[in-house]
Amino acid sequence: EAQVTQNPRYLITVTGKKLTVTCSQNMNHEYMSWYRQDPGLGLRQIYYSMNVEVTDKGDVPEGYKVSRKEKRNFPLILESPSPNQTSLYFCASSLNRKGVGGYTFGSGTRLTVV
Amino acid sequence: GESVGLHLPTLSVQEGDNSIINCAYSNSASDYFIWYKQESGKGPQFIIDIRSNMDKRQGQRVTVLLNKTVKHLSLQIAATQPGDSAVYFCAENMGGKLTFGQGTILTVHP
Repeated sequence: EAQVTQNPRYLITVTGKKLTVTCSQNMNHEYMSWYRQDPGLGLRQIYYSMNVEVTDKGDVPEGYKVSRKEKRNFPLILESPSPNQTSLYFCASSLNRKGVGGYTFGSGTRLTVV
Repeated sequence: GESVGLHLPTLSVQEGDNSIINCAYSNSASDYFIWYKQESGKGPQFIIDIRSNMDKRQGQRVTVLLNKTVKHLSLQIAATQPGDSAVYFCAENMGGKLTFGQGTILTVHP
């Protein structure tokens, strides 16, 4: 089944403790992206990747890092999480950046930083 | 107290009615538009898309209308069913960057 898999689904952590949210897709998509979803603010792009070893900042990249060492994986790294990073996070992939045919989204990771 | 912007627009309909969800987009240079559906606890799902050189596109039970003059997009759902209850987002693509609207909550009453 074609899908984007994120892990974990839920995570509660403490301020400053480094964490990684994994994202993997099995569709051989070139483009992958991370979003955060907050009430009243909709989906905002954090980082995206056009292909292996090619990443770029989205609208809200501060406090996040990403890497794209393999085509299928695009982990999101929070080196020193803070409470304002409490949010619902989605990874998405598509054939290309334009997203023709739509992006495929993962099921989300609900992160709470205390 | 409540904060402005925390409450999404809502639409309540009876099962079997047609639903129309509207979206105003911001950039006249956007050339590709997508509607997504997000059910509780799930990620957004692609519903239908439309390119800027079209003004209407139909899918199964859904129709998207694009009015570039007023930068307006609408999603029509025919014979709405309880399973259509969700948050619906429009997204515009300009130069490869996808920007999402805040969404509309659709509630379908049996």
